[in-house]
Amino acid sequence: NAGVTQTPKFQVLKTGQSMTLQCAQDMNHEYMSWYRQDPGMGLRLIHYSVGAGITDQGEVPNGYNVSRSTTEDFPLRLLSAAPSQTSVYFCASRDQGRDTQYFGPGTRLTVL
Amino acid sequence: EDKVVQSPLSLVVHEGDTVTLNCSYEVTNFRSLLWYKQEKKAPTFLFMLTSSGIEKKSGRLSSILDKKELFSILNITATQTGDSAVYLCAVLSSGNTGKLIFGQGTTLQVKP
Repeated sequence: NAGVTQTPKFQVLKTGQSMTLQCAQDMNHEYMSWYRQDPGMGLRLIHYSVGAGITDQGEVPNGYNVSRSTTEDFPLRLLSAAPSQTSVYFCASRDQGRDTQYFGPGTRLTVL
Repeated sequence: EDKVVQSPLSLVVHEGDTVTLNCSYEVTNFRSLLWYKQEKKAPTFLFMLTSSGIEKKSGRLSSILDKKELFSILNITATQTGDSAVYLCAVLSSGNTGKLIFGQGTTLQVKP
């Protein structure tokens, strides 16, 4: 099993550009989520999904969109990047019946 | 509003010291509390606690949960430089849309 994979590992954008961060898992987990991590603030939940076709907002959803067309994939879209979105983004997944969440390796995003 | 607070935010010790990291929480519909270790990459799972007063132990690391007082501690004995990391506490709320809410993290530096 590859676990949770994320691409790209690094990305630099200019203000106003759009992009999609990719996340995939091969563990057949129903629950997937996106977090951002900023210095001194731990991980904050952006969006999450409890299964294909079902998504919901977390603590800091503004400026981000998600969709979940398959169990495996959960992409995060930045519609118009802003410097405030400079952060490290982690995707995570877990089995609905279990509590342990597995994290991808992260994407370091810089918005100039 | 659900929240998880960790203390101290940072800590510097010398090899061989014992450290205690604290995590307090106010979360509706508590399901479990998890500890993660993060070393410049994705968080890795350490412990999950669901029952009060039962210590989880793994080598030099141990953790306990007090559900009455709403806190948990993570102890590391005989610290080593390899223990240097950010330690994250997170609380999972119950239900199908259960969210994992993180504290700010404690940055531990172990000096030789």
